Amino acid sequence: DTEVTQTPKHLVMGMTNKKSLKCEQHMGHRAMYWYKQKAKKPPELMFVYSYEKLSINESVPSRFSPECPNSSLLNLHLHALQPEDSALYLCASSQDSSLPNYEQYFGPGTRLTVT
Amino acid sequence: GEDVEQSLFLSVREGDSSVINCTYTDSSSTYLYWYKQEPGAGLQLLTYIFSNMDMKQDQRLTVLLNKKDKHLSLRIADTQTGDSAIYFCAETDGNNRLAFGKGNQVVVIP
Repeated sequence: DTEVTQTPKHLVMGMTNKKSLKCEQHMGHRAMYWYKQKAKKPPELMFVYSYEKLSINESVPSRFSPECPNSSLLNLHLHALQPEDSALYLCASSQDSSLPNYEQYFGPGTRLTVT
Repeated sequence: GEDVEQSLFLSVREGDSSVINCTYTDSSSTYLYWYKQEPGAGLQLLTYIFSNMDMKQDQRLTVLLNKKDKHLSLRIADTQTGDSAIYFCAETDGNNRLAFGKGNQVVVIP
């Protein structure tokens, strides 16, 4: 199983809503990532979890709150978002983020629209 | 961060070869990668090359690395309609983060 799954596929939320994005992998990977991707742009790294601990936060606003309940799951909690936060949110996993060659497996993404 | 440059758009006829180019700035990158993103999908790792190699071939894909010029290219032989996608080159920075190029959209014309 080399699949990273993400739910929901699409999400529309208002600026006062609270919602969560979910990501799951069963490859035994110990590193998991959240990326944000705007249309026709490359992905931008948001967070890295390594062995279930947050290891990198790329100065992401606090309205985005990541959580790693266990080694297979990664959540992204959303609260009080802005319209400019509308984007494709990609989750990825890799065997170990500390190794120089680590193949990242990406999920299909959640298309988020903030109204 | 690293500055990875890519050209933006390539149109190619089915059956022809496609070549996508990329330049990078971090000469200490150990690995360089090519990712493919089809519409509405996540990124798929196509291939990677170790920095001490000049060339890597994997079925229809050929990766060329010119370390002196910090130039990376991806050649797709016998391009098919399923190859229509955005292609990103990427390198790992000193903290093992992936730094992506801007992406190159390939459109295959039947």
